[in-house]
This record gives sequence, structure tokens and C-alpha cells, in this order.
Amino acid sequence: DSGVTQTPKHLITATGQRVTLRCSPRSGDLSVYWYQQSLDQGLQFLIQYYNGEERAKGNILERFSAQQFPDLHSELNLSSLELGDSALYFCASSASGGYYGYTFGSGTRLTVV
Amino acid sequence: KNEVEQSPQNLTAQEGEFITINCSYSVGISALHWLQQHPGGGIVSLFMLSSGKKKHGRLIATINIQEKHSSLHITASHPRDSAVYICAVRFQGGSEKLVFGKGTKLTVNP
Repeated sequence: DSGVTQTPKHLITATGQRVTLRCSPRSGDLSVYWYQQSLDQGLQFLIQYYNGEERAKGNILERFSAQQFPDLHSELNLSSLELGDSALYFCASSASGGYYGYTFGSGTRLTVV
Repeated sequence: KNEVEQSPQNLTAQEGEFITINCSYSVGISALHWLQQHPGGGIVSLFMLSSGKKKHGRLIATINIQEKHSSLHITASHPRDSAVYICAVRFQGGSEKLVFGKGTKLTVNP
């Protein structure tokens, strides 16, 4: 157990639907990062939150949104899902802006059918 | 453009062989990470480097900042080392995000 908890582990849903992925960071970590891993693009940064505030944005589609709650857990919301959104979604957390490293969750495998 | 290149893409070895995976990047970095991803999908951080060399068991990671190059070595490889190894960098300039190489798929045969 890395200390970063992601739920659910697997998700199968239909096109056009909306899903929410959840991440609980390692205890004490204030930063949460979301990454998408697809077969053709590899791992890509989506968005970062620090202590409840959005800190950086990457290649995140407008159909996707995220937030970090006061207890520091984070949710990634994916809406109007398309087949191409099928991917592994990873959450990572860090304590001090990543200067001491990152801890990754085990990922959520999303399949859009 | 901030890029990370890994080689080789695929690597097959016999048990006991010495393995080297390479990573090069385009501009200055504040840190480089080597990650391991097993077939189940989870990602484990192996090393974080900003200079020099680190060793953990049979794994050794080196970085040459001037050459913008890092290598991950596995000595006495074992089938359980079979995984995808991913190089990721944090570029200088304030952003905390990681930029990833496409990974090297290592298969170690008994």
C-alpha cells in the first residue's frame, strides 16, 4: 500500500455518461496530481491541487474537472465520456511540491463502451 | 519544447543479464525520477535524482546533468524485474508537474 488510495479500481461506463474518480493522498501530503495514461499518449499530466486550490493545469479537456476538498481528498469528474477517454487515471501526492518525491496510487482503469 | 526520450522501447533479456535503460531530456531539470509499472498497472517510484548516482539493491540510477542523460541499470536481472520502466522529469521553471518518457518494457526470461 503506497498510502495513496484511488477508487474505484475499475470502471466501465457508456459513452455520454459522467463518472467521478476519487483519490485520497498520503497522510500529510498537501498536493494532489492527476495523470492520464493511454496506450497512444503515455502518461500525461492533467491537473494539480495544493491544499484545496488549483495550482497547475495540463492537457485537461473542458469536459473534465477536478477539485480538492478540505480533508485533502480529490475527485476527478469526467463528463460526456467518449471512447477515447478510456485510459488509466493515476493520482499522485507529494509533501513539498515534489522536492522529496511523489507517491502514486494504483490507478483507476476507465473503460468507455 | 520540454521532452523526455527513452530507449530502448522494448528490451528482452535472459535471467542474470545486466540491463541498461536510457533517458535523455531536452532542457534543464530540477529532478529526474525512475518509475516502475508492473502489468497490474500500479506505479512505484524507484529513484529521484538531481545529480550523481543512487543504488538500491540490484538497481542503480545515474544522471549526467551536463549531458542531460540518465541511465537505470539492473544487475543480475530476474524475471520479477519484468515491468515497464518510466523516466519522468520535473523541468526547471517552477512547475511541479512531471513529464514522462514513453517507457521501456522489460521482459526477463528464466
